[in-house]
Amino acid sequence: QSALTQPASVSGSPGQSITISCTGITSDFGTYNLVSWYQQHPGKAPKLIIYEVSKRPSGLSNRFSGSKSGNTASLTISGLQAEDEADYYCCSYVGSSPWMFGGGTKLTVL
Amino acid sequence: QLQLQESGPGLVKPSETLSLTCIVSGGSISSSNYYWGWIRQPPGKGLEWIGSIHYSGNTYYNPSLKSRVTLSIDTSKNQFSVQLRSVTAADTAMYYCARVSGELDYWGQGTLVTVSS
Repeated sequence: QSALTQPASVSGSPGQSITISCTGITSDFGTYNLVSWYQQHPGKAPKLIIYEVSKRPSGLSNRFSGSKSGNTASLTISGLQAEDEADYYCCSYVGSSPWMFGGGTKLTVL
Repeated sequence: QLQLQESGPGLVKPSETLSLTCIVSGGSISSSNYYWGWIRQPPGKGLEWIGSIHYSGNTYYNPSLKSRVTLSIDTSKNQFSVQLRSVTAADTAMYYCARVSGELDYWGQGTLVTVSS
């Protein structure tokens, strides 16, 4: 069982915004700002889309944004597009492990 | 452009040792700023951190796998490796290598390892 909890699935229509949450159950999660998010399309390797809670890699669409409040991090995708349909994983440095992934969220674009 | 490529057997027998290597090109594995990690993903399931290693030899392991895993690094060949002992069918997964700092910014394409007799 992951120490980072994500909803199993979320959905939205093209043009809408969706938010995926990632809740940590250890105090480490609230301490460090080393939360990252990954997008994974079927049959492909994960791709970094957010790092250090809210930073975007160079060249990545600004439709993707991240935030954190207390023990919960969030990924928001605005202006949803068909190509955003994928699995999304949060990841955090938690000190003792020291890295851990959330269980993943399947995004369906309706 | 940094590239990582996993290599190793695609089929391992139960109770044997799974061994994979990640070859790094387009950059040095000896950078003090980065660790190098292994992540796996069983079919249809989520990502699991296996461990990470620094060129100095410092390692971190997932506590759930620590008793069976060894990471090593060869700076002369710009590559790092993972060994997982006493494998069972539960170890069947896609295995990825990645560069690690505060995040995993470069990934290999992954290699599927099946544990079966």
